[in-house]
Amino acid sequence: EVQLVESGGGVVQPGGSLRLSCAGSGFTFSNFWMSWVRQTPGKGLEWAANIKQDGSEEHYVDSVKGRFTISRDNAKNSLYLQINGLSVEDTAVYYCAVGAAAGFWGQGTLVTVSS
Amino acid sequence: DIQMTQSPSSLSASVGDRVTITCRASQGIRNDLGWYQQRPGKAPKRLIYAASSLQGGVPSRFSGSGSGTEFTLTISSLQPEDFATYYCLQHNTYPFTFGPGTKVDVK
Repeated sequence: EVQLVESGGGVVQPGGSLRLSCAGSGFTFSNFWMSWVRQTPGKGLEWAANIKQDGSEEHYVDSVKGRFTISRDNAKNSLYLQINGLSVEDTAVYYCAVGAAAGFWGQGTLVTVSS
Repeated sequence: DIQMTQSPSSLSASVGDRVTITCRASQGIRNDLGWYQQRPGKAPKRLIYAASSLQGGVPSRFSGSGSGTEFTLTISSLQPEDFATYYCLQHNTYPFTFGPGTKVDVK
């Protein structure tokens, strides 16, 4: 059974940083692009970033470029999202997903930016 | 960026109804589109990929069609568990973009 488990969310002050993690199991992690998608409270979905199987290619939405860094460790079946320079607008549930086009999603981890 | 619009933004329906949701792209995206269902408090789940292919395990009452700029998700006979919000996602051009969602609730 495919499983994705996100962790690392929490409450952080504006300007702070967080590192989100996503542990994958039940599939060959190294064979798939991986993605991060976020959902702001009560609002819709925003595709944030994705990364190629070997980590050689990354893509970001403009609103996070320069502040978010996606990475992966295939030996650990893990995906990461380093988030710097957090603002209140980054408050959201962050989901990791299998595939460049987000085919299967984890349950999400909540990031709250508040002073 | 490619803008995705959905219509309607919400609809009220009854169990057994046929429901159709439309997604339009601001430029052609071939068939690089997925449809997702999100129930309250849950993660989204992909129902349809490549515009018209049914994801494994998804009931056959869901179907997708379209290519280019106009796409449709149809639920042939609405079931109680189908009351949810539905989103489309284009993955033809970076940055990938979601539609704003269509909420299906009980009439």
